Amino acid sequence: NAGVTQTPKFRVLKTGQSMTLLCAQDMNHEYMYWYRQDPGMGLRLIHYSVGEGTTAKGEVPDGYNVSRLKKQNFLLGLESAAPSQTSVYFCASSLEGTLTEAFFGQGTRLTVV
Amino acid sequence: AQSVTQLGSHVSVSEGALVLLRCNYSSSVPPYLFWYVQYPNQGLQLLLKYTSAATLVKGINGFEAEFKKSETSFHLTKPSAHMRDAAEYFCAVSDENDTGGFKTIFGAGTRLFVKA
Repeated sequence: NAGVTQTPKFRVLKTGQSMTLLCAQDMNHEYMYWYRQDPGMGLRLIHYSVGEGTTAKGEVPDGYNVSRLKKQNFLLGLESAAPSQTSVYFCASSLEGTLTEAFFGQGTRLTVV
Repeated sequence: AQSVTQLGSHVSVSEGALVLLRCNYSSSVPPYLFWYVQYPNQGLQLLLKYTSAATLVKGINGFEAEFKKSETSFHLTKPSAHMRDAAEYFCAVSDENDTGGFKTIFGAGTRLFVKA
């Protein structure tokens, strides 16, 4: 029972490098989310998707892109990493957006030097 | 847009004491409210959710929360703290997005310390 799986778990990037974070869920959920967690700021929504082929901007979308080509996968891309993007990134999914709970991955700790 | 305010970034209680974690929301319509818990180096897990069926909501691990519309609050309580309750707790609200669906907005979190 995998739930929500994020890869990689840790990564160190140099400023200007690019990378993609992968999120996979096996619960057939429609909604998927990418959050970043920073000390004292809680979780801030980067981008989300309400279904395969759709994406939408959250609170802090700048510097990130996403794709949802398959229902079970939600990719988060950083085209040119900056030190301000050092954070812990969480992917989550939910059956729908309102009353159903969100299931979270274990997180990806990204450091940009 | 809706927002969530958690009062107190850190709360410390003794084992066996009452736990009270405060959450206030801004909303002009009935909200959907949640409490999540995050243990060290893990993702978030749902503790409980308010669905308008009852104002007092019971969750896992002995936690409960009361929805008070007049105070726009959804405080989390537990009568007797246990060492294993030490974690970070997040209050969250569902907010309508631009396309008519919903997204979840989280508070800044409250870290609970439990002293032996």
